[in-house]
Amino acid sequence: GNSVTQMEGPVTLSEEAFLTINCTYTATGYPSLFWYVQYPGEGLQLLLKATKADDKGSNKGFEATYRKETTSFHLEKGSVQVSDSAVYFCALSSDTGRRALTFGSGTRLQVQP
Amino acid sequence: KAGVTQTPRYLIKTRGQQVTLSCSPISGHRSVSWYQQTPGQGLQFLFEYFSETQRNKGNFPGRFSGRQFSNSRSEMNVSTLELGDSALYLCASTFNFLTDTQYFGPGTRLTVL
Repeated sequence: GNSVTQMEGPVTLSEEAFLTINCTYTATGYPSLFWYVQYPGEGLQLLLKATKADDKGSNKGFEATYRKETTSFHLEKGSVQVSDSAVYFCALSSDTGRRALTFGSGTRLQVQP
Repeated sequence: KAGVTQTPRYLIKTRGQQVTLSCSPISGHRSVSWYQQTPGQGLQFLFEYFSETQRNKGNFPGRFSGRQFSNSRSEMNVSTLELGDSALYLCASTFNFLTDTQYFGPGTRLTVL
């Protein structure tokens, strides 16, 4: 079956540091890949997506590239801010269930001033 | 355009009771999916509705059910509540059956005592 593996958190960084959150996946076919962010007490917000190999999704300074050869979709940001503190979820939607997302366990990011 | 709305935001029930949660998708969106979020199991797909028909179902017992109305609003019902049903229940909407980008509501926090 489909699965998503994320690096364990929490990840604690100082403001303006470089961020990488690793995500690898297992899926048949050609899944779409997503990063969602969840702020305390809120639902999920779509951060970025990529639908095919070598696509790069980007939004608000965050980037992730769909790497089919390594089955990865790592999230990066060049300079984090305190306001980026949240839980980040990597997810995939497969050919057989396009709106049945499979999520990773989430990675909590704490950015200190 | 208003986002996905879920009511109520918080619920407290006792074991054995049943509960109904409501979700109103983004205007014009016709697909609604439901997810359960718990600290132990993470985010898990419950089911998806499109055009008042269940299109996909996750691995949950029959106590979990849902429906969708002609205006795309959706409800989910959990009967014979168990302590383990305590969770954040998230609803997500998608424009149509061909797309896979989902927009999430703030969730309903259910506590079972």
